[in-house]
Amino acid sequence: DVKVTQSSRYLVKRTGEKVFLECVQDMDHENMFWYRQDPGLGLRLIYFSYDVKMKEKGDIPEGYSVSREKKERFSLILESASTNQTSMYLCASNWGYEQYFGPGTRLTVT
Amino acid sequence: AQTVTQSQPEMSVQEAETVTLSCTYDTSESDYYLFWYKQPPSRQMILVIRQEAYKQQNATENRFSVNFQKAAKSFSLKISDSQLGDAAMYFCAYRRGTSGSRLTFGEGTQLTVNP
Repeated sequence: DVKVTQSSRYLVKRTGEKVFLECVQDMDHENMFWYRQDPGLGLRLIYFSYDVKMKEKGDIPEGYSVSREKKERFSLILESASTNQTSMYLCASNWGYEQYFGPGTRLTVT
Repeated sequence: AQTVTQSQPEMSVQEAETVTLSCTYDTSESDYYLFWYKQPPSRQMILVIRQEAYKQQNATENRFSVNFQKAAKSFSLKISDSQLGDAAMYFCAYRRGTSGSRLTFGEGTQLTVNP
């Protein structure tokens, strides 16, 4: 069974903190994605990676960075969290037609 | 750039009735895929149905079917015999034909099913 896991379901951080969101997939997929979900805006792509150590900016990369040191793990980093980064973050991996999603991390920055 | 628009932020339907969710998209590509994803309160995104642009026949998955109008760039989802478990946020998404391409999502439609 396909599985994408994210390190936390809920996370509360303070403004200015460095935040790591971890995503792991067990399907040996090459492509991995980070999306941000906000009401009325749908899902927007932050970054994606098509191979280890490779990354591409999505539509809203500002304020974020990513790391992919191993094929199964794709990390999203908020270098200095701000309140406008309060959101739901969804990770996905891709094989063929379909993207497989993790359960999401609801991040609150206070 | 591709865009996907869902003009219905909220919809409701009576249990056992039929409901149609609308989606339009804009692209200059000829090879692409369209998807409907469901996100229930558990937040787990689930693929409902997929349509390849080169196929003229509308996709069907059990109670779910699409009306794909390529010229009009319209891709609506019909849910027949609605069930309480169909209540969720529904997202329309577009993907270029290239393998591994990113998805572009619409804004989402929140579907309520009334008993």
